[in-house]
Amino acid sequence: SAVISQKPSRDICQRGTSLTIQCQVDSQVTMMFWYRQQPGQSLTLIATANQGSEATYESGFVIDKFPISRPNLTFSTLTVSNMSPEDSSIYLCSAQGDWGGYTFGSGTRLTVV
Amino acid sequence: DAKTTQPPSMDCAEGRAANLPCNHSTISGNEYVYWYRQIHSQGPQYIIHGLKNNETNEMASLIITEDRKSSTLILPHATLRDTAVYYCIVRPDNYGQNFVFGPGTRLSVLP
Repeated sequence: SAVISQKPSRDICQRGTSLTIQCQVDSQVTMMFWYRQQPGQSLTLIATANQGSEATYESGFVIDKFPISRPNLTFSTLTVSNMSPEDSSIYLCSAQGDWGGYTFGSGTRLTVV
Repeated sequence: DAKTTQPPSMDCAEGRAANLPCNHSTISGNEYVYWYRQIHSQGPQYIIHGLKNNETNEMASLIITEDRKSSTLILPHATLRDTAVYYCIVRPDNYGQNFVFGPGTRLSVLP
């Protein structure tokens, strides 16, 4: 299955700033997904990132707050904009393989102070 | 919403088999059962998946009932490193269909 490199692994950011998280896959994949995991909670899908088209956002998530880029079939970025302490979470990217299942990155632990 | 129900937590003695149940009574004919685990805030790790037949790999076995309304993940010889949150997910075999994660089962393997 695909190997996903995600960075940064963690960051501490000031409120009002933005952070861009990068996700690199070692093979071409059509579908990539971004998840958020708030402290003590399960994973929640933010959006689906397709190459060549705008990302599709889940209810409760908007492009202005979480802009996503997908310039090619091996790379995607998620930006957390105008951050507040409520954005402190783990952010995870994942890619769907040919076998149908997902591979996940190791996550970005974001703390907003 | 997640289509599965799992116990919130379980304990297992080291070296014994860990049997993690999952109910998915509304599963459809084209939906697979996937199991993932997440070890202390790392990214979820794939374990195994199946449609209706029992499956086994180097990590675990998956037992699916004949009516497919429930399944059990079996870790045959649990170790301390198997302590994690285990997620049971049902999903159609359609490309692009995302995974919906429930709260999972927190398995604690005790020495």
